[in-house]
Amino acid sequence: NAGVMQNPRHLVRRRGQEARLRCSPMKGHSHVYWYRQLPEEGLKFMVYLQKENIIDESGMPKERFSAEFPKEGPSILRIQQVVRGDSAAYFCASSRQPTGLYGYTFGSGTRLTVV
Amino acid sequence: DAKTTQPTSMDCAEGRAANLPCNHSTISGNEYVYWYRQIHSQGPQYIIHGLKNNETNEMASLIITEDRKSSTLILPHATLRDTAVYYCIVRPILRGAQKLVFGQGTRLTINP
Repeated sequence: NAGVMQNPRHLVRRRGQEARLRCSPMKGHSHVYWYRQLPEEGLKFMVYLQKENIIDESGMPKERFSAEFPKEGPSILRIQQVVRGDSAAYFCASSRQPTGLYGYTFGSGTRLTVV
Repeated sequence: DAKTTQPTSMDCAEGRAANLPCNHSTISGNEYVYWYRQIHSQGPQYIIHGLKNNETNEMASLIITEDRKSSTLILPHATLRDTAVYYCIVRPILRGAQKLVFGQGTRLTINP
């Protein structure tokens, strides 16, 4: 009965490299949400995906960021050509229903450090 | 943007009840009040939610005023592990309304 699994927990990348963050939702959950938390700031919504579809990407930066949730496998948040400002904690959440009436379950996050 | 107002920080003695207020004076009839908390370095954790009636679960109680313009989260017997940032969020439960909008929350410190 595992919760939302995110890996890696910590990721260090040099400027210009690519970062791939993975999120496996809870069993039976087909809705995934990504949030970013910059140092000493609140959580900001990035993107909402269902299996194979992006539903709401209103919080995604226009460039370098992309997300997918394939039919099989985890959801992936990809950041290309990382810059120091991308250093943050990235959290994934999942829900069984799209409305999340009974709350979302969050993972423990991936802490990205760009050096 | 967040539609709630919370105190920046609060302190509470261990074993006492922690009462965290939230103002949501512009709440709409179809919006629920949700509470989440974030313990240091962890992902947010769902606590409780309500529409207009008071709610209680194993973690906390939620008291919503009759006019629904404010609410209070009550942790009945606070422990040191309850030290966290607590977020009050209002959101509609409608088709297409999925994302949570987090404000700055209340940093609750439980003191021994």
